[in-house]
Amino acid sequence: GNSVTQMEGPVTLSEEAFLTINCTYTATGYPSLFWYVQYPGEGLQLLLKATKADDKGSNKGFEATYRKETTSFHLEKGSVQVSDSAVYFCALSVPSGSARQLTFGSGTQLTVLP
Amino acid sequence: NAGVTQTPKFQVLKTGQSMTLQCAQDMNHNSMYWYRQDPGMGLRLIYYSASEGTTDKGEVPNGYNVSRLNKREFSLRLESAAPSQTSVYFCASSESPPGVLLQPQHFGDGTRLSIL
Repeated sequence: GNSVTQMEGPVTLSEEAFLTINCTYTATGYPSLFWYVQYPGEGLQLLLKATKADDKGSNKGFEATYRKETTSFHLEKGSVQVSDSAVYFCALSVPSGSARQLTFGSGTQLTVLP
Repeated sequence: NAGVTQTPKFQVLKTGQSMTLQCAQDMNHNSMYWYRQDPGMGLRLIYYSASEGTTDKGEVPNGYNVSRLNKREFSLRLESAAPSQTSVYFCASSESPPGVLLQPQHFGDGTRLSIL
């Protein structure tokens, strides 16, 4: 089956620190990979995605590279801000029947302190 | 830009009561989804609808029913609520027709449901 494993949180960083949130996956077939972000009291928003090996997704200073050889899609940001405090979810998608379903990791809570 | 709208935002039920959670999207998307979010478990798919008139079970369908009323609306019903169904419920939609390059899912803000 399909599964996503994320590093456990919570993660607490000081402003301007470097961020890495690890994500590895197992999947049947050739998945597309995503990072979603959930701010307090809100739904999930797509942060970035990659659809094939060696693709790099990027958005708002965040980056993640699709590594097929290590089945990983680690999220990085060079300098975090207080406004980046949120829960981050790694997810994959493969075709399943008549729709593409997302399989989510358990989420990583990030808190950035001023 | 409404996107995906869920109602209600909060609800408290007693064990055995029934309830329908409503979801509507204004992006003309074909596919719609219902998830539940529980601490430490990420989001788990309850049911999905690939297109108007079709519904399929996800990972955790037991205790739930769904209706794809039209292209815009996808409702989730709890016939006899149980404390184990206390959770945050998210509706999502996406274009993603079969066989076409994946488009992202767009999420509503969630319904926080407590079963006493």
